[in-house]
Amino acid sequence: AQSVSQHNHHVILSEAASLELGCNYSYGGTVNLFWYVQYPGQHLQLLLKYFSGDPLVKGIKGFEAEFIKSKFSFNLRKPSVQWSDTAEYFCAVSPPGNTGKLIFGQGTTLQVKP
Amino acid sequence: DAGVTQSPTHLIKTRGQHVTLRCSPISGHKSVSWYQQVLGQGPQFIFQYYEKEERGRGNFPDRFSARQFPNYSSELNVNALLLGDSALYLCASSAETGVVGAQYFGPGTRLLVL
Repeated sequence: AQSVSQHNHHVILSEAASLELGCNYSYGGTVNLFWYVQYPGQHLQLLLKYFSGDPLVKGIKGFEAEFIKSKFSFNLRKPSVQWSDTAEYFCAVSPPGNTGKLIFGQGTTLQVKP
Repeated sequence: DAGVTQSPTHLIKTRGQHVTLRCSPISGHKSVSWYQQVLGQGPQFIFQYYEKEERGRGNFPDRFSARQFPNYSSELNVNALLLGDSALYLCASSAETGVVGAQYFGPGTRLLVL
């Protein structure tokens, strides 16, 4: 079945460590890709998006993601995490031909230890 | 500018009842989408409306229905509630029918069915 997979369900890091969260999707064709973040007690916020062009996308709060078409991947990275990055992170894909619909991964909970 | 607003924030219903959830999009956004988020999972797409017309529907039973009003606000209705309908219901708005401008989420309505 077509889907979005996030490899890590729960990640624990110390402050200043580097972060990489994996996301793979199984849709062929042209897709739009997103990372959303949900901080404790807050609603989903858009971190970054990719539609076309430079496969390295920069988002808010120092996050970036790289689209690798051959690997159907859109991994999220941050060179140095902070305690305030503790949150749940969702990868989402807008499949080809149905741009009004987002398919979400199951989410990754990131816990950053001070 | 105000973000996406949803009401009520919390709701408790019993099995067999019906419920109406409301959403007001970001000013200027014409598209509203609804998602269901069960604890521990990513949001699942229910409906998308654009200019008062349904543009997409997810894999949900006919007990779920929605509509969009001339001011672009939207209602999600769920009839004959089941225990499994307990979830966080999210509304998202975007500027167009597609996700060219990405989707922005509201805080959600948490529904508990007893």
